Amino acid sequence: EDQVTQSPEALRLQEGESSSLNCSYTVSGLRGLFWYRQDPGKGPEFLFTLYSAGEEKEKERLKATLTKKESFLHITAPKPEDSATYLCAVQDRSGGSYIPTFGRGTSLIVHP
Amino acid sequence: GAVVSQHPSRVICKSGTSVKIECRSLDFQATTMFWYRQFPKKSLMLMATSNEGSKATYEQGVEKDKFLINHASLTLSTLTVTSAHPEDSSFYICSAILRRAEAFFGQGTRLTVV
Repeated sequence: EDQVTQSPEALRLQEGESSSLNCSYTVSGLRGLFWYRQDPGKGPEFLFTLYSAGEEKEKERLKATLTKKESFLHITAPKPEDSATYLCAVQDRSGGSYIPTFGRGTSLIVHP
Repeated sequence: GAVVSQHPSRVICKSGTSVKIECRSLDFQATTMFWYRQFPKKSLMLMATSNEGSKATYEQGVEKDKFLINHASLTLSTLTVTSAHPEDSSFYICSAILRRAEAFFGQGTRLTVV
């Protein structure tokens, strides 16, 4: 059974204080790992897809990396507008299902 | 990125009535769409997988007669909450798969049953 564990559950940062969010996963064969950002009362917004170990993707202050067991979402010099819940999901290559398995998310608050 | 539009964003209905929520993929064809329910400060709970032209696959514990799903075309899936009760009040979100990989989400629908 696919499993996704995100840590920490909640993270408070000061503006400009860089940090990383962790997503540990267990799958039979990884088709893709996805990061999303969700604001309160909104649907998740797609950020990145990572397909293989060693891959990195960047977007503004965010950088996602992938190993065979985990992914990190690095936030460099965060701003208050980066406050949101960040969700990680994996898609298993085995079987014909494309259902992503989601973690519980990390709630990030960035204080000015 | 791909755009998924969900409507309405908010709905208030009386107990016993039915509510329909629409999910459209605006710039791509989605053979598979998912419906989720999300409780406050909780992660997404998959309710069902909607496949175009066939019956939806429901997750364990989700009543298929209460949550009717229709995926009539490659760009539209609907979720109808039948005979709604206050305990059905929640945030419902749809998503559509692009190229059998990334899932793109709608804006969500806040349902309040009074």
